[in-house]
Amino acid sequence: GDSVTQMEGPVTLSEEAFLTINCTYTATGYPSLFWYVQYPGEGLQLLLKATKADDKGSNKGFEATYRKETTSFHLEKGSVQVSDSAVYFCALSDRSNDYKLSFGAGTTVTVRA
Amino acid sequence: KAGVTQTPRYLIKTRGQQVTLSCSPISGHRSVSWYQQTPGQGLQFLFEYFSETQRNKGNFPGRFSGRQFSNSRSEMNVSTLELGDSALYLCATRMADEQFFGPGTRLTVL
Repeated sequence: GDSVTQMEGPVTLSEEAFLTINCTYTATGYPSLFWYVQYPGEGLQLLLKATKADDKGSNKGFEATYRKETTSFHLEKGSVQVSDSAVYFCALSDRSNDYKLSFGAGTTVTVRA
Repeated sequence: KAGVTQTPRYLIKTRGQQVTLSCSPISGHRSVSWYQQTPGQGLQFLFEYFSETQRNKGNFPGRFSGRQFSNSRSEMNVSTLELGDSALYLCATRMADEQFFGPGTRLTVL
C-alpha cells in the first residue's frame, strides 16, 4: 500500500536558518505529493503540491521537488522566520485509491528569534 | 468562498457516551473525508463520502460511522466512547486531487 516516511523531529532552528525536512514515499501508482502545515490549535493547510516527476511546488518561500527516481519530496526553505514554527506533514494521494491521503508522521519545527 | 467548517470545536464526553460531529464543506465540493489525529497514531483516514454514499473506509471499528446529506454536509458519529477516542477529528473536502481541511473538533473522553 501507499506510505510516507518523513524526518523525525523535533527540529529547532534560529531565525534566518535553512530548513530541510526529508520525505520519501512508497506508492503503487503515480501519486500527487503534498506538504501540509498545521499551526497550533488549527487544522491542516495545504502548503504546496506537485503532481508529476520533476515538478517543483513552491509557496511562502518553501519549495519541494517531486523526485521519482529517489521517491522523495523534501521540503526546503532558505531563511525561516519565527512564524514558520508549526508541524509539517508530507502526504500523497493517488487517483487509483480515490485520492485518499496518506500522511507522514509529521515534523515539529520551532524557530527561535 | 467560505472554508470548511466543523462544529463543535471542542467536546468533552465520558466513556460509554456517544458523540456526533458535523462538517460543512466548501460550497460546490461534494467529497467529504474524515481523519483522526492523535499524538500516538498521527493522522489516520476514517472514511470518505461522496454524493451521500460512503466511498472509502479506513481501518476503524464499527463504532465509528458517518453519513452525508444532500447538501454535502457530513456528520460522523462515535458510539460507546473509549478513552482512546480522544483526538482531533478533522474533516476535509476535495476538489480534484486537493483536500481542504477544517479546523477540527477536539474530542476529550474522560
